[in-house]
Amino acid sequence: KNQVEQSPQSLIILEGKNCTLQCNYTVSPFSNLRWYKQDTGRGPVSLTIMTFSENTKSNGRYTATLDADTKQSSLHITASQLSDSASYICVVSAAPGTYKYIFGTGTRLEVLA
Amino acid sequence: DAGVTQSPTHLIKTRGQHVTLRCSPISGHKSVSWYQQVLGQGPQFIFQYYEKEERGRGNFPDRFSARQFPNYSSELNVNALLLGDSALYLCASSFFPSSGGSTDTQYFGPGTRLTVL
Repeated sequence: KNQVEQSPQSLIILEGKNCTLQCNYTVSPFSNLRWYKQDTGRGPVSLTIMTFSENTKSNGRYTATLDADTKQSSLHITASQLSDSASYICVVSAAPGTYKYIFGTGTRLEVLA
Repeated sequence: DAGVTQSPTHLIKTRGQHVTLRCSPISGHKSVSWYQQVLGQGPQFIFQYYEKEERGRGNFPDRFSARQFPNYSSELNVNALLLGDSALYLCASSFFPSSGGSTDTQYFGPGTRLTVL
């Protein structure tokens, strides 16, 4: 069964600290993996997109890594800011020809002053 | 440029009623996807349309239907509402159909919050 699991479920850190969010997936065959940031009550916003041949991709203070062999991805946030408080969702796409994205349940990050 | 817009922003219905949600994609985008996000969960794929044709359907009952118009806007219809249909309904647009092999970015709208009483 195609699944995307994220950990931790929630995380609280102090402003200025770094954190790493994890995503494990069982989607096969794999095509690409996306990280989204979703503020409460808003639509998700794309942070990174990685294909199976990419190991890392950065977007400002956000850096995503991908290990297609172990089917794991991580999102590292550097020097966290209060505005980073949001849910971070990992989304995996299966091989071409399908039109479905498998979403994880997200990690809820809260950054405190 | 305006982003993806959805209407209404909030909606309250009672069980058994019908609802129509609307989405306007980013100008130039020809593909629209619909997602249901129950509180505390990740979005679940409902439909994808490209060039007015259905290109994908998730595991939702026939009470859910959608269509795309010549201007690429889209409607999601839900009949015989159930309490479990209460959720945030998200619309996402992209230029190409977001097949599994595409790295085309999907842009999400703010969503419509549907509450079924």
